[in-house]
Amino acid sequence: DVKVTQSSRYLVKRTGEKVFLECVQDMDHENMFWYRQDPGLGLRLIYFSYDVKMKEKGDIPEGYSVSREKKERFSLILESASTNQTSMYLCASRLRNEQYFGPGTRLTVT
Amino acid sequence: GQQLNQSPQSMFIQEGEDVSMNCTSSSIFNTWLWYKQEPGEGPVLLIALYKAGELTSNGRLTAQFGITRKDSFLNISASIPSDVGIYFCAGHARMDSSYKLIFGSGTRLLVRP
Repeated sequence: DVKVTQSSRYLVKRTGEKVFLECVQDMDHENMFWYRQDPGLGLRLIYFSYDVKMKEKGDIPEGYSVSREKKERFSLILESASTNQTSMYLCASRLRNEQYFGPGTRLTVT
Repeated sequence: GQQLNQSPQSMFIQEGEDVSMNCTSSSIFNTWLWYKQEPGEGPVLLIALYKAGELTSNGRLTAQFGITRKDSFLNISASIPSDVGIYFCAGHARMDSSYKLIFGSGTRLLVRP
């Protein structure tokens, strides 16, 4: 079974803090993705990565950066958290055309 | 851009009933995926479809890849309370210079015991 884990299920951070969201997959997948999910807006792609040290902007990259130093780990970074980044963050890894999601991190920025 | 129209938006059914939901698009997709998401959790992949006309089952779930490659449906037979959740379709296609997954807006399913 594919397993994608995310470092935290719930996070509460203050405006201006630097936030790290970690994602790990154990299936040696090359492609990994970060999405955010908001009511009424659905799933939106923030960044993705095809391989170690490679990254591509998704549809809403502003205010975010990513890091992929190892194949199994893909990190999402909020350089200076803002209240409009309060959301459910979902990581996924891809095999063929199938994306497998982690359990999500619900981030609240106050 | 490419969009998926998923319907219905929500369904409230009696336990034991069959359920049908579908996704349509004006664009062609090379893969259709169906996910289920429960509150506070990530989406879980239910079925993947790779060929036009393909019909695939996973237990009480059956999904089909439309022959035109622009649509897909998911059926759930004999629904049970644990089927409650939001079901998403997703189409995989080339956009710009890369391949992306386009998601439907979801069908919220409620099952009355």
